[in-house]
Amino acid sequence: DAGVIQSPRHEVTEMGQEVTLRCKPISGHDYLFWYRQTMMRGLELLIYFNNNVPIDDSGMPEDRFSAKMPNASFSTLKIQPSEPRDSAVYFCASSLPETQETQYFGPGTRLLVL
Amino acid sequence: SQKIEQNSEALNIQEGKTATLTCNYTNYSPAYLQWYRQDPGRGPVFLLLIRENEKEKRKERLKVTFDTTLKQSLFHITASQPADSATYLCALDYAGNNRKLIWGLGTSLAVNP
Repeated sequence: DAGVIQSPRHEVTEMGQEVTLRCKPISGHDYLFWYRQTMMRGLELLIYFNNNVPIDDSGMPEDRFSAKMPNASFSTLKIQPSEPRDSAVYFCASSLPETQETQYFGPGTRLLVL
Repeated sequence: SQKIEQNSEALNIQEGKTATLTCNYTNYSPAYLQWYRQDPGRGPVFLLLIRENEKEKRKERLKVTFDTTLKQSLFHITASQPADSATYLCALDYAGNNRKLIWGLGTSLAVNP
C-alpha cells in the first residue's frame, strides 16, 4: 500500500489567497484526520471524519477553514482567505475502524503564507 | 483543559545505553496513550499503544509504562542506536474512543555513536 498521500508537499502563497490541501487515505481505512503542527503548539487535531461524515470539527480554528470528504478516497482542507498565522505543516492521517487501531500519517503539506 | 508535558530539553545519550522519555498529563484520565516517532520532514509513525488498565507494554527494544496514579507514562529504548535519533511524541485519547488525541510537543533524542 502506498500509505496516506498528501498534495502538495509544499505550498507558498500570499495572504488572502485560497489554499486547498488534498489527502488520499489508505484504502479500507474508515477514519480520516486533519492535523496542524507548529513549533509552539505541536500537533493539533482540526477535524476528523468517519465513513466520509465529519464527526468532530471543534479543532477548526475559524470559519476560514473548511474540510470535505466527498468519497472514501479523497478529502480536502481549504483555507480561505489565508493568513500568515496559518503557516504550519498540515498532516492528514487515517485509521481502521477498530478502537485500538493507531493512526497512519501522511508526509504533510508545508504551508507558508506570506 | 487537558495538558501534556514532555521533556522539553533534548536528550543526548551514548549508543548502547537506555533512553527514558517522560510524558506527564493533567486534568484527565485517558483510556489510551500512544507513543509516536517523528523524523524531520516526515509524519509521525506509531510505535506503541497502552490502555489505562495496562501497566506496561513491550515491543522489541521498546517499553512503555502507564501510571494512572502519577498521571505519567515512561518510554524506554534499550540498547539505543544512532538510528533511534528522532523526536518522540506522546498522545493521549481524551474522548474515550482513541480518535480525538491530544499531543505533547515531543522530546528530541540524539544517540551518539
